[in-house]
Amino acid sequence: NAGVTQTPKFQVLKTGQSMTLQCAQDMNHNSMYWYRQDPGMGLRLIYYSASEGTTDKGEVPNGYNVSRLNKREFSLRLESAAPSQTSVYFCASSDGNTQYFGPGTRLTVL
Amino acid sequence: QKEVEQNSGPLSVPEGAIASLNCTYSDRGSQSFFWYRQYSGKSPELIMSIYSNGDKEDGRFTAQLNKASQYVSLLIRDSQPSDSATYLCAVNTQTDYKLSFGAGTTVTVRA
Repeated sequence: NAGVTQTPKFQVLKTGQSMTLQCAQDMNHNSMYWYRQDPGMGLRLIYYSASEGTTDKGEVPNGYNVSRLNKREFSLRLESAAPSQTSVYFCASSDGNTQYFGPGTRLTVL
Repeated sequence: QKEVEQNSGPLSVPEGAIASLNCTYSDRGSQSFFWYRQYSGKSPELIMSIYSNGDKEDGRFTAQLNKASQYVSLLIRDSQPSDSATYLCAVNTQTDYKLSFGAGTTVTVRA
């Protein structure tokens, strides 16, 4: 039982490049989330998916897209990366009460 | 006004002392309250949840909730160096399981 897994762990992009962050959970949770964490700002919700087939914007969705591929997988895509998207990205899943976090992806955009 | 605010810290306490962390929230309809611990370079992990007014104890941790004052706190008794981390307060402000997080309070326990 791996919990929530994320790939990659680290990534460096140039401005304008695109990439997809992958997230998978093996806990059979309906809800999944993408957050970004910047120094002094806590965790900010980018997008979430309450159930398979649904996605909704969070607090800071601009510049991102998501896909809930199936119940297990929830990906985050940066179509044209900007330096302001340099951050640590966490995926989480929820059993309806508690959120469980993946190990994070540290993204640097040059 | 931010939805969830925490005392900014950092908080430095001697080993064996009590660390007291505070959190206020703006949405009176909030129902669920959580404390997460995050070690440097790691992901947040849940340490306490509380849903009703009063105290909830789990080992050396005590969460306190006062919905009338819109205030939740975390006490860490007999603080250990392993408690050195950033503590995040999170509040469920709606019924769709979204959490709002505070910016976190960094605690350092000095030996």
